[in-house]
Amino acid sequence: DIQMTQSPSSLFASVGDRVTITCRASHNINNFLNWYQQRPGKAPKVLVYAASNLQSGVPSRFSGSGSGTDFTLTISSLQPEDFATYYCQQSYSTLSSFGGGTKVEIK
Amino acid sequence: EVQLVESGGGLVQPGGSLRLSCAASGFIFSNYNMNWARQAPGKGLEWVSYISNTGSTTNYADSVKGRFTISRDNAKNSLYLQMNTLRDEDTAVYYCARDDYSSGWSKFDPWGQGTLVTVSS
Repeated sequence: DIQMTQSPSSLFASVGDRVTITCRASHNINNFLNWYQQRPGKAPKVLVYAASNLQSGVPSRFSGSGSGTDFTLTISSLQPEDFATYYCQQSYSTLSSFGGGTKVEIK
Repeated sequence: EVQLVESGGGLVQPGGSLRLSCAASGFIFSNYNMNWARQAPGKGLEWVSYISNTGSTTNYADSVKGRFTISRDNAKNSLYLQMNTLRDEDTAVYYCARDDYSSGWSKFDPWGQGTLVTVSS
């Protein structure tokens, strides 16, 4: 099975900050990597798919990069609605798996 | 509008059984692979199970293998999760999610609103 490790598990940031979240896969997953945002009490929604492709309707301040085992989600200028928890997910295998999540909190 | 609506959650005793349903609308259900994922209270997301569009292929997380069974009825646009021999650690919100390949890449989109399963005596 493929294990996904995210870091940090939480971070504190201010509106306007640049935020970077990393995700590491235990095996080479090429670019079969998705990022999701989850707000409290809500279902997750996809932000980035195939490592670097922005989902339709997602603001351009979100971007993804990486390939193989190391991936990054960047928020270029944090907005109030971005305070949420972010998860990476590998879609390389139909036995999918998620990272542990990164909670972005207000400083 | 593409929509997934879960139902069937509730309180069940350890060792008991429960069947979750997910009603799909707004898309051709039989064209899509589907998944179940869960989230324990205050914890992260955990993928649970996968089923191909025809139902011919299924996969399970090790934590539920042998106890949970995923199935679907394409005529009823419905996905199911039969959960047997439930344990305290199965307590979670259970989500169904469509495996969207429209871009040529798999991603879970959309997700249902979730249904809460509580395993407790």
